[in-house]
Amino acid sequence: AQTVTQSQPEMSVQEAETVTLSCTYDTSESDYYLFWYKQPPSRQMILVIRQEAYKQQNATENRFSVNFQKAAKSFSLKISDSQLGDAAMYFCAYRSLSAANNNDMRFGAGTRLTVKP
Amino acid sequence: EAQVTQNPRYLITVTGKKLTVTCSQNMNHEYMSWYRQDPGLGLRQIYYSMNVEVTDKGDVPEGYKVSRKEKRNFPLILESPSPNQTSLYFCASSPLRGVPEAFFGQGTRLTVV
Repeated sequence: AQTVTQSQPEMSVQEAETVTLSCTYDTSESDYYLFWYKQPPSRQMILVIRQEAYKQQNATENRFSVNFQKAAKSFSLKISDSQLGDAAMYFCAYRSLSAANNNDMRFGAGTRLTVKP
Repeated sequence: EAQVTQNPRYLITVTGKKLTVTCSQNMNHEYMSWYRQDPGLGLRQIYYSMNVEVTDKGDVPEGYKVSRKEKRNFPLILESPSPNQTSLYFCASSPLRGVPEAFFGQGTRLTVV
């Protein structure tokens, strides 16, 4: 089964600075999706960014961008110009596109990001 | 508005008293699933369903039941809750075609005493 590892339980960043959250995964599949979700104190799970494995270009959404290294099975999230509202738990997720794997979705343990004013 | 509606948001119950957490989606998604979130463990899948009347176990199914009688609804049933089922629960739905983004409910904080 696929696994997702977030090795940083907690991270902190100064407001307006840049921070990178790490995520690695293990899979034998060639096509899949990767996601970053944000969970603020409200507990709502909010999609931040997504990346399809077949697309070599790194996804970008405003201040959020990823560094997708398929061979290394790495999918890090970079937050630029950090804002107080970025403080949250961030989850990396892997989604299989294979019916044989029941389109399985796996999550990492999460990284809690603190933003210091 | 596209959404997943999950109720209740908070629930305190006693050991052994059956309960149901409801989940409904209005996006006509085939795939629905239940997760529990515990500190340091992320989200772990309890059960999932790929269509009406099709359900299967996830990683932590013990003590839980589900049903999928209609495409939009996917309730989670705890027949005899125990304290180790105290957790934060999420329902999610996603399409099986196109971008498989998961849409989540608001979460249910369950405490079993």
